[in-house]
Amino acid sequence: AQTVTQSQPEMSVQEAETVTLSCTYDTSESDYYLFWYKQPPSRQMILVIRQEAYKQQNATENRFSVNFQKAAKSFSLKISDSQLGDAAMYFCAYRRRQGGSEKLVFGKGTKLTVNP
Amino acid sequence: NAGVMQNPRHLVRRRGQEARLRCSPVKGHSHVYWYRQLPEEGLKFMVYLQKENIIDESGMPKERFSAEFPKEGPSILRIQQVVRGDSAAYFCASSPTNTDTQYFGPGTRLTVL
Repeated sequence: AQTVTQSQPEMSVQEAETVTLSCTYDTSESDYYLFWYKQPPSRQMILVIRQEAYKQQNATENRFSVNFQKAAKSFSLKISDSQLGDAAMYFCAYRRRQGGSEKLVFGKGTKLTVNP
Repeated sequence: NAGVMQNPRHLVRRRGQEARLRCSPVKGHSHVYWYRQLPEEGLKFMVYLQKENIIDESGMPKERFSAEFPKEGPSILRIQQVVRGDSAAYFCASSPTNTDTQYFGPGTRLTVL
């Protein structure tokens, strides 16, 4: 069974600084997706970024980028120029690409605090 | 374009009552997923449905829980005879195909007294 591990229960960053959130996963599959979702206090789950395992290029969305290391099964999220609105729980998630049930497997999350 | 809609947003039930949670996927999305989030935890998969079919219910408790996604109308997650341990946030997500990104609704927070 696939597992996702987020080893940092909490992180903090100063406004305008850069922070990196860690995520590792375990799978025997070779083709899959990885995601970062943000959950602000409103509890809404918001997609931040998505990475396809067959793509070597790291995904980027504005101030958010990932460092995808397939051999190491590592998928970290870098937030540049942190803003107060980035404060939230961040969840890393894995999904198999094919096979019938494309359920998401989530880590336990990292709570990010942004200090003014 | 309306996103995934869930209602009610908050639901309070007493032990032994039934809870019905509704999810309307994004228009055109035929794949629906239900997840449960316990306090201080990540989301855990419960069930995956397509129209009129349950594809994977491996994450759903065998007793008291059921789900459906009829040809017309929203998907329903039904919990019979609720217990305090059912208190959680229940999220629905939808996608147009089974290989696309899942988009989440705002969740229903169930409190069992």
